[in-house]
Amino acid sequence: EDKVVQSPLSLVVHEGDTVTLNCSYEVTNFRSLLWYKQEKKAPTFLFMLTSSGIEKKSGRLSSILDKKELFSILNITATQTGDSAIYLCAGGATSGTYKYIFGTGTRLKVLA
Amino acid sequence: GAGVSQSPRYKVAKRGQDVALRCDPISGHVSLFWYQQALGQGPEFLTYFQNEAQLDKSGLPSDRFFAERPEGSVSTLKIQRTQQEDSAVYLCASRIRRDTEAFFGQGTRLTVV
Repeated sequence: EDKVVQSPLSLVVHEGDTVTLNCSYEVTNFRSLLWYKQEKKAPTFLFMLTSSGIEKKSGRLSSILDKKELFSILNITATQTGDSAIYLCAGGATSGTYKYIFGTGTRLKVLA
Repeated sequence: GAGVSQSPRYKVAKRGQDVALRCDPISGHVSLFWYQQALGQGPEFLTYFQNEAQLDKSGLPSDRFFAERPEGSVSTLKIQRTQQEDSAVYLCASRIRRDTEAFFGQGTRLTVV
């Protein structure tokens, strides 16, 4: 059965810290790995990764995919209180509907 | 529209009542998903449409759940005879093509009492 596992489940840091969130996946006919940030209800898109070893960056956030070891990491540098959210990782397959399998998420709290 | 729009934002239903949740995807987006998110969990896949065709309904938990997208745009998720375990946030997402990212709506929080 396809699954996505995220760690840690929760994390509390202080403003200015750097955090690394982990995502491992077992997805049949894997195609892409997506990261979302969820504040309140709507997940907002962060990154989509399809190639191994190529880092994607957006401001203080960056992510990379390792298709050999079946994992991805999301890094956030110089964290701010506005980064407090649940970070969701999802695996997408090439077959069928390309639906996404989500992990449980990492709940990040950044203290001022 | 500018984003995925869902209504209502909140719904309280008495056990046994039928509910209908609406999703208005981004204009021109071919793919549409429904996900169910229980408290403290990640979104769980319910069903998928490509235009008006429901290509995958493997995640619907029982035959009380029904979804449609008759004209390939707006979609409705209907839950009949609601039960307490149906309480969750129901998220709709759309994407322009199969190999692109999906954009989510704000969700509908359903509480069954």
